[in-house]
Amino acid sequence: GAVVSQHPSWVICKSGTSVKIECRSLDFQATTMFWYRQFPKQSLMLMATSNEGSKATYEQGVEKDKFLINHASLTLSTLTVTSAHPEDSSFYICSARNAGLNTGELFFGEGSRLTVL
Amino acid sequence: AQSVTQLDSQVPVFEEAPVELRCNYSSSVSVYLFWYVQYPNQGLQLLLKYLSGSTLVKGINGFEAEFNKSQTSFHLRKPSVHISDTAEYFCAVSDQGGGNKLTFGTGTQLKVEL
Repeated sequence: GAVVSQHPSWVICKSGTSVKIECRSLDFQATTMFWYRQFPKQSLMLMATSNEGSKATYEQGVEKDKFLINHASLTLSTLTVTSAHPEDSSFYICSARNAGLNTGELFFGEGSRLTVL
Repeated sequence: AQSVTQLDSQVPVFEEAPVELRCNYSSSVSVYLFWYVQYPNQGLQLLLKYLSGSTLVKGINGFEAEFNKSQTSFHLRKPSVHISDTAEYFCAVSDQGGGNKLTFGTGTQLKVEL
């Protein structure tokens, strides 16, 4: 159990376009999901906390108008990179907290690699 | 707020040798501790976690870690590594108060050589 799926795994887009990445908890309800960005050979940087039915909480320095997060249901959160530019190219990873557990453990998606040309 | 320090950015080791990946943390409150493994172009997989109880925690793939509160450490060990253990390893901490916001260390690249 506790599977988190991200889609797409890879995406290439032109500069100026928008890209949506989905994060789904397949076998549990996730009231909270987290979005991370990872640069090559670096650690994960928390971008925002996504709460079901409410606005996301963004970390300092993350542009909320550029990285739109929607958590419309207990099993789905989406990250939309708007007007993408080459500097937005990165590996984006989501994680989810199982609402039925209190272990502090997060379950991670497989990641989505975005390349902006 | 918490912080995590992984002093070793890279650890080369020969196959079947033992390995220890170091992790130290700082926090003003009680914490949960985790080790995650990341293979190239993949997400993170939980290796093991310390929530409470026994300070020696056993995880998957033969890994174990020991929580040392006095030294604020949570070092990861494996007595005999395999080529397939080559990956990036992240130590992470979250406070027990809720929220489950994980703070990650900078990662340690374990490279197992023949």
